[in-house]
Amino acid sequence: KAGVTQTPRYLIKTRGQQVTLSCSPISGHRSVSWYQQTPGQGLQFLFEYFSETQRNKGNFPGRFSGRQFSNSRSEMNVSTLELGDSALYLCASSPGTGSTGNTIYFGEGSWLTVV
Amino acid sequence: DAKTTQPTSMDCAEGRAANLPCNHSTISGNEYVYWYRQIHSQGPQYIIHGLKNNETNEMASLIITEDRKSSTLILPHATLRDTAVYYCIVRGFKTIFGAGTRLFVKA
Repeated sequence: KAGVTQTPRYLIKTRGQQVTLSCSPISGHRSVSWYQQTPGQGLQFLFEYFSETQRNKGNFPGRFSGRQFSNSRSEMNVSTLELGDSALYLCASSPGTGSTGNTIYFGEGSWLTVV
Repeated sequence: DAKTTQPTSMDCAEGRAANLPCNHSTISGNEYVYWYRQIHSQGPQYIIHGLKNNETNEMASLIITEDRKSSTLILPHATLRDTAVYYCIVRGFKTIFGAGTRLFVKA
């Protein structure tokens, strides 16, 4: 069974640009969540989608947005990029949402560098 | 959302058991305890999870105290490849990661 797939793996953008990252969950998983990881802040929760609906959201500005498609694939978008947005963006999928034993599995992440 | 507290770093000799503690005193109801590890520049890898009973799989054992306020991850025979950051999380409405424990396995 294929794992969580994220594309692109590495990208460089300029301040002010926008970026879209893609995530394909494990087959059969309906929940996708996104995390930002930086050396200073660690792993921070961005948002979670389940059945095309955003279920949870972390404390990030509105420049960070996401969506989920009917096939459970998800994208996240960051507009008006800032230098501080340079980070590893991780996608994770699980069969369902919430706790109750729904294990989340992570992809390898997308490394974003903003210059 | 329950938070977890872990030691910043730990050392372990290769071949010995590594015991990684975690406090989650605000855990509630049916929230599960999960453990992940992250090797530099890779996505976190799932290790094990449990609700209130001790659990064991091919990677590790998880011991949860009776009051569920703390747990210990046990790697029975640590190898150099187990050097990583280990995260203990309580999976609730939002899955919050703490800073984790940086485990150094030394030859």
